Amino acid sequence: GDSVTQMEGPVTLSEEAFLTINCTYTATGYPSLFWYVQYPGEGLQLLLKATKADDKGSNKGFEATYRKETTSFHLEKGSVQVSDSAVYFCALSDRRTPHSGAGSYQLTFGKGTKLSVIP
Amino acid sequence: DAGVIQSPRHEVTEMGQEVTLRCKPISGHDYLFWYRQTMMRGLELLIYFNNNVPIDDSGMPEDRFSAKMPNASFSTLKIQPSEPRDSAVYFCASSLDRSQRYEQYFGPGTRLTVT
Repeated sequence: GDSVTQMEGPVTLSEEAFLTINCTYTATGYPSLFWYVQYPGEGLQLLLKATKADDKGSNKGFEATYRKETTSFHLEKGSVQVSDSAVYFCALSDRRTPHSGAGSYQLTFGKGTKLSVIP
Repeated sequence: DAGVIQSPRHEVTEMGQEVTLRCKPISGHDYLFWYRQTMMRGLELLIYFNNNVPIDDSGMPEDRFSAKMPNASFSTLKIQPSEPRDSAVYFCASSLDRSQRYEQYFGPGTRLTVT
């Protein structure tokens, strides 16, 4: 089945440091890839996404490139801020067709990586 | 838009009691998902609905769990009887398939503690 593996945390960085959170996936089809972020006490929010190979998703200074050859979608940011402290989830969607014929878009999540940025 | 609304935000109950979690999806969204998050198991999909119809409930842990969606603006997740191992944060999410393509919007979650 589909799976997502992301680096274990926690990751602790100083403000303005470079961030990389690794994510690799296994999927039978041709999935779309996502990074979600969860701030303390809140639900998950979509951070960025990419729907085909070589696409680069970007938002709020974060970016990730869909690499089909290495089945990876690593998250990067050039200069982190204290406000980036959160848990980051890599996810993929695998379009499945149930008996009704309608498409469905379940997400398979990684276990999350907690990032702490210190001043 | 108010976003996905969940209630209650926190629930503390005793083992054996019935627990009902509520969710109001974003208006117009046609998919609704229930997730459970724990430290040990991470984020797990329990069940999801399309146009109020349950599509896949294979993630529901056991018969003690049930979910309903009587209309497009309301869903419930019920645990009866509750057990301490059900303690977790339960998230509801919704999506609009046609235009958002896979993007799910999460509610703030309900933190359930079963003593």
